[in-house]
Amino acid sequence: QKEVEQDPGPLSVPEGAIVSLNCTYSNSAFQYFMWYRQYSRKGPELLMYTYSSGNKEDGRFTAQVDKSSKYISLFIRDSQPSDSATYLCAIPYYGNNRLAFGKGNQVVVIP
Amino acid sequence: NAGVTQTPKFQVLKTGQSMTLQCAQDMNHEYMSWYRQDPGMGLRLIHYSVGAGITDQGEVPNGYNVSRSTTEDFPLRLLSAAPSQTSVYFCASSYRQGFGNTIYFGEGSWLTVV
Repeated sequence: QKEVEQDPGPLSVPEGAIVSLNCTYSNSAFQYFMWYRQYSRKGPELLMYTYSSGNKEDGRFTAQVDKSSKYISLFIRDSQPSDSATYLCAIPYYGNNRLAFGKGNQVVVIP
Repeated sequence: NAGVTQTPKFQVLKTGQSMTLQCAQDMNHEYMSWYRQDPGMGLRLIHYSVGAGITDQGEVPNGYNVSRSTTEDFPLRLLSAAPSQTSVYFCASSYRQGFGNTIYFGEGSWLTVV
């Protein structure tokens, strides 16, 4: 079983819509959760991280962790064409020496 | 500040050839790592290093060698390239491993093995 699972389906939304992305993870001991954004033909960049449970907001982005379900989510409000990218969830493991990535969701925001 | 620099950006190899992907960072980061990214597979860790002289295997180390003789450089060597190694390779670094340390990625190296 992989540390983190993310359904890699593409997602197209109209500008201004709310984007909802999800991942599940395997180990209830995981405490630290990240979301990376990757533009086409570029390296991933850290978008947000959360520690333990609850929500974290940063502008139009909200990261949410539900430890009871082992479920993490990323919401993008008022989506913009500039949000078009692949979003990957990631979790550090193995003594925090390794980073396990989900497969990523390609998001396209249509003007 | 250049960040994480990878070279070459594009490379075509023949099966059985060897090559080295270069990675350098100028942020005095202790932790460096190499990932490969394949369609439908996400990013998978190949090797990592927690400091000069220290390396360890990641999730998919077979067919790759690394060394860390300096803090700045972390080259990835393909000893005998195979078509299965066709991928996009990303080098990454952070101040140290662990929580709260932002990992910075390079721009990627596109490798095709024919």
